[in-house]
Amino acid sequence: DIVMTQSPDSLTVSLGERATINCKSSQSVLYSSNNKNYLAWYQQKPGQPPKLLIYWASTRESGVPDRFSGSGSGTDFTLTISSLQAEDVAVYYCHQFYNTPRTFGGGTKVEIK
Amino acid sequence: EVQLVESGGGLVQPGGSLRLSCAASGFTFSDYWMSWVRQAPGKGLEWVANLKEDGSEIYYVDSVKGRFTISRDNAKKSVYLQMNSLRAEDTAVYYCARGVYHFDNWGQGTLVTVSS
Repeated sequence: DIVMTQSPDSLTVSLGERATINCKSSQSVLYSSNNKNYLAWYQQKPGQPPKLLIYWASTRESGVPDRFSGSGSGTDFTLTISSLQAEDVAVYYCHQFYNTPRTFGGGTKVEIK
Repeated sequence: EVQLVESGGGLVQPGGSLRLSCAASGFTFSDYWMSWVRQAPGKGLEWVANLKEDGSEIYYVDSVKGRFTISRDNAKKSVYLQMNSLRAEDTAVYYCARGVYHFDNWGQGTLVTVSS
């Protein structure tokens, strides 16, 4: 199974400042045949289901604000919130869909300073 | 608008059974793989199972193999999760989600509590 390790576990950032979340996979999730990274990011607010933010490591889902961006390749990935807003308080998860079983990172809780 | 609505959760004793349902609307259900993902109270996300558009391919996480069965009825636009031999560690909110790769739509979830 591919193990997804996120860091940090929690993050406190001032409004308008940058938040950076890291995700590392235990093996590469880059498919060489199509040069796509099989990785997604989700946002989950309390009492709500997860919401897809980013897929293929860097493609923003329709309707997601452009302050959210994803980067990285192979085994190391980053979710960046360029200017944190109050509504971004949530837990963020990375997810690999390179193989089965699909696996998720442990989550990173983002709060306002 | 895509909608996924889960039902069937509840309190069940260890060793018992439960069948979850997920009703889909707002998209061509038979065109999509579907998954079940669960979240234990206060914990992270765990993928449970998925199945192909026509049900010809099915996959499970090891911890539920032999106990859970995923199925679908494309005519009813529904996906199901039959859960047998339930254990305390199966206690979680169970979400159905659309997609074979990333999950672009999720239901609100249904809570399953396994306790005596």
